[in-house]
Amino acid sequence: DADVTQTPRNRITKTGKRIMLECSQTKGHDRMYWYRQDPGLGLRLIYYSFDVKDINKGEISDGYSVSRQAQAKFSLSLESAIPNQTALYFCATSDWTGGTGELFFGEGSRLTVL
Amino acid sequence: QQQVKQSPQSLIVQKGGISIINCAYENTAFDYFPWYQQFPGKGPALLIAIRPDVSEKKEGRFTISFNKSAKQFSLHIMDSQPGDSATYFCAARDAGNMLTFGGGTRLMVKP
Repeated sequence: DADVTQTPRNRITKTGKRIMLECSQTKGHDRMYWYRQDPGLGLRLIYYSFDVKDINKGEISDGYSVSRQAQAKFSLSLESAIPNQTALYFCATSDWTGGTGELFFGEGSRLTVL
Repeated sequence: QQQVKQSPQSLIVQKGGISIINCAYENTAFDYFPWYQQFPGKGPALLIAIRPDVSEKKEGRFTISFNKSAKQFSLHIMDSQPGDSATYFCAARDAGNMLTFGGGTRLMVKP
């Protein structure tokens, strides 16, 4: 089983619908992140959490919200989806205990908003 | 405004050739520069990384060259193989231990 699991892997929805992308991890890392990937724009940080009680906005948080339900679970919500939120979304984790802070990514959730 | 600029956006190389991807950064406080490799349908994974106190790091066919004064670093893939076809992201870590990624380069190695 993957260390970082994202569900759903693919989702097609309509403008105005509420969408939740879920992420769970078995790596035991405290830090979790949500990124968005768009061609030519790389990976842009939406939200991140350093522990269950810590939630921080990233570069492009407008239109998104998150919930850290447990150390292992971090979900991303789009309250009212719009077409320009069509993208590939990645959850990632890292362990900052004196190492390099390497990010471990899930396999992605492809979201299409019609 | 991207703090880490990556070029080219796409690259086609013949098998056995050298693939070169370049990145430039602005924030002199960046202290760690990793490269991530992403295969289709997968998430990015750490490939190789360098700290700014060295000018070069080599791991097998992959080499990072780092020019601190120019605020540039590059990834060289020697003897490129079709299995190297992927998207490559450079990144830079800031004082808050957060990574900023470049825009990505889609590499295709032709047989």
